[in-house]
Amino acid sequence: KQEVTQIPAALSVPEGENLVLNCSFTDSAIYNLQWFRQDPGKGLTSLLLIQSSQREQTSGRLNASLDKSSGRSTLYIAASQPGDSATYLCAALIQGAQKLVFGQGTRLTINP
Amino acid sequence: EAGVVQSPRYKIIEKKQPVAFWCNPISGHNTLYWYLQNLGQGPELLIRYENEEAVDDSQLPKDRFSAERLKGVDSTLKIQPAELGDSAVYLCASSVRDRGINEQFFGPGTRLTVL
Repeated sequence: KQEVTQIPAALSVPEGENLVLNCSFTDSAIYNLQWFRQDPGKGLTSLLLIQSSQREQTSGRLNASLDKSSGRSTLYIAASQPGDSATYLCAALIQGAQKLVFGQGTRLTINP
Repeated sequence: EAGVVQSPRYKIIEKKQPVAFWCNPISGHNTLYWYLQNLGQGPELLIRYENEEAVDDSQLPKDRFSAERLKGVDSTLKIQPAELGDSAVYLCASSVRDRGINEQFFGPGTRLTVL
């Protein structure tokens, strides 16, 4: 059974810092890995999707990497801003089942 | 292009009452998902539809939960009767496989409170 873990559960950093959010998964047989952002009381916004054959994806100040062999993905946020404050969730799409398995999320706070 | 639409956004009911949630996926998306998100947790899949067929309902508590997607477009998720433990956010998502990529897009969710 695929399990996805995100560490830390919460993170608070000053504005302007670069930061890394971590995601690990137990089964390397994934189709892709997706990073989402969730604001309080809102749905999920897709940030980046990395296919299993890819190593990384970039969008603006965000860079996500994927290492299937070690079961890890990271989300790098450069020059953090208060507007980046949200909960970030990673999810692995299981091959065949086409089912997203989510981590518990990292609650990020950027302090002005 | 409109995103995934869900209604209602909020629902408060007393236990043992029935409740229904509605979802309209992104136009052209043949796959539709219902997820349950408890407070402080990631979403968990309840049911997945490919067009009008439920292809994965293994996590759906069938004694009280039911879902339908009769014409392969919009979908309804029902709980009858609701229990206190059903209080959560119910998320709908949709996707279409494009050039081998299957990216899921989520609606805003329905926050259910059972009193």
